[in-house]
Amino acid sequence: GEDVEQSLFLSVREGDSSVINCTYTDSSSTYLYWYKQEPGAGLQLLTYIFSNMDMKQDQRLTVLLNKKDKHLSLRIADTQTGDSAIYFCAERKGSARQLTFGSGTQLTVLP
Amino acid sequence: EAQVTQNPRYLITVTGKKLTVTCSQNMNHEYMSWYRQDPGLGLRQIYYSMNVEVTDKGDVPEGYKVSRKEKRNFPLILESPSPNQTSLYFCASSPGTGKEGSYEQYFGPGTRLTVT
Repeated sequence: GEDVEQSLFLSVREGDSSVINCTYTDSSSTYLYWYKQEPGAGLQLLTYIFSNMDMKQDQRLTVLLNKKDKHLSLRIADTQTGDSAIYFCAERKGSARQLTFGSGTQLTVLP
Repeated sequence: EAQVTQNPRYLITVTGKKLTVTCSQNMNHEYMSWYRQDPGLGLRQIYYSMNVEVTDKGDVPEGYKVSRKEKRNFPLILESPSPNQTSLYFCASSPGTGKEGSYEQYFGPGTRLTVT
């Protein structure tokens, strides 16, 4: 099965909070990342969390990591239309440089 | 401006006609990588390079070649493209030491390739 799994679609109303979920399988993951891809553009790093952390907050973004369940989530507070994009979860294993990406979650923000 | 550039951005070609997609970064990064993005599959790594003259296969290397003769450039070569290589390709680079060891990867804008 996939190393990193995400649901493909999420729709929210403008002003609501969005929660994008991700599960991974490798307990040796050291860093977990969230990337954003806007239409026609490359991937932009939003935030990352080290595996010894449970939570990281950066302005409207909150990352929660449950190592026991190998579950990662990204919460976007006060979601805006400009947040509409594909969001990718990625893991880095051990000291390796390679990233393993999930399939991406298409977030649609409705007015 | 720190960036990763790729050329061309769009390419339509025919089966079997050799092509090269260039990638260049101006950040003096040691690590560079190529990915392909396909619907529902996310990004899959094709090849990566830890430094000049050091390259290694990723998860889906078949049908591709790379070279790393200079630190800034990491071209992707398709010797005999086939329709199943129709995809969106991304180049990425990463510094030797990231902030808190995070090794953030910086992505190029992508190259959309169609092989007919």
